[in-house]
Amino acid sequence: NAGVTQTPKFQVLKTGQSMTLQCAQDMNHEYMSWYRQDPGMGLRLIHYSVGAGITDQGEVPNGYNVSRSTTEDFPLRLLSAAPSQTSVYFCASSRTGTRNQPQHFGDGTRLSIL
Amino acid sequence: KNEVEQSPQNLTAQEGEFITINCSYSVGISALHWLQQHPGGGIVSLFMLSSGKKKHGRLIATINIQEKHSSLHITASHPRDSAVYICAVPSQGGSEKLVFGKGTKLTVNP
Repeated sequence: NAGVTQTPKFQVLKTGQSMTLQCAQDMNHEYMSWYRQDPGMGLRLIHYSVGAGITDQGEVPNGYNVSRSTTEDFPLRLLSAAPSQTSVYFCASSRTGTRNQPQHFGDGTRLSIL
Repeated sequence: KNEVEQSPQNLTAQEGEFITINCSYSVGISALHWLQQHPGGGIVSLFMLSSGKKKHGRLIATINIQEKHSSLHITASHPRDSAVYICAVPSQGGSEKLVFGKGTKLTVNP
């Protein structure tokens, strides 16, 4: 099992560009989530999904879109990148949710917006 | 929304010392997560607990639901324990959304 795979690991964008951060898991997990980690702050939830076809907003959703067309994949889209979106992004998954399941994290994507 | 406070922010210890990291939260929860973030950035789940105590090797996690407080202990600390330790709880009682503490950076010197 590969676990949770995030691509790319590093990316530099110019302001206004769009891109998609990929997240895939091979554990048949229903719950998937995206977080951003900024210096001096804890991880913050961007969007999450409790199953294919179901997504919901987290704490900091503005500027990001998600979709969940399959159980395995949960891509995060930046439609028009802004310098404030410079961060390290983590994708996580768990079997059924966060209340009674350990979370499995990807290795992260370090994104810089110039 | 749950507020999570971790202490201390930074902790330096000598190899072999007993380590305690604390986490307090403001709203009653179903379960609390302890995570470890390696110097390289990867995050792994250490414990998820809703009551009492759990032990895995030299790591022990406890939680007091009434006090809204959890502790992570490391016995016989080793330099390889150097990492950032993060606690996370549900945003609200039955929520699937997690909120995270800012982390405790632990450095264990040989």
